[in-house]
Amino acid sequence: ETGVTQTPRHLVMGMTNKKSLKCEQHLGHNAMYWYKQSAKKPLELMFVYSLEERVENNSVPSRFSPECPNSSHLFLHLHTLQPEDSALYLCASSQEWGSEQFFGPGTRLTVL
Amino acid sequence: DQQVKQNSPSLSVQEGRISILNCDYTNSMFDYFLWYKKYPAEGPTFLISISSIKDKNEDGRFTVFLNKSAKHLSLHIVPSQPGDSAVYFCAASGGRSQGNLIFGKGTKLSVKP
Repeated sequence: ETGVTQTPRHLVMGMTNKKSLKCEQHLGHNAMYWYKQSAKKPLELMFVYSLEERVENNSVPSRFSPECPNSSHLFLHLHTLQPEDSALYLCASSQEWGSEQFFGPGTRLTVL
Repeated sequence: DQQVKQNSPSLSVQEGRISILNCDYTNSMFDYFLWYKKYPAEGPTFLISISSIKDKNEDGRFTVFLNKSAKHLSLHIVPSQPGDSAVYFCAASGGRSQGNLIFGKGTKLSVKP
């Protein structure tokens, strides 16, 4: 596998469920990001990890919880989500914080 | 308030002609600008970038122009091809949150054969 991969590609969950999104990068990058893309809105940065430490948390509700166990993996743990959280969640990585970002294909999340 | 604006949600161009996608920004601290291209069901793909010390950067059919005084950048694609049909996002970084990219809403380009 090359590049940035994300699983699952599609996820439907109820408001009481707990699920996790997974991202893996095979590029040897040191920074990883979670973005949310809602319809007709710009990409919204959620979290940034640089060298496995969180460097940015853009006022994201606590029902979203990131985890970066190592420089290649990034998770987004979801619990008690709301229907308005339905969106495309994109993971990205870059050589260092601030350089060109390479995106995964995204997870299309639907919250019922 | 949006710091990066793409005011045209869509653009339609004939194959072989030039496509010009525009982007305006408000933060004068931005010093690095990027264009990404996104196909449906895929993540954005990095296309081309420009730093504020330049006013033009060219890569094959793609050229990005930066006008710092107007806080405006544009992406020119020539000649346009049907495979260029995608959503194009402008992004900028610099200033207080130096590592973070601020994205525009995107412009959907349709290149008609």
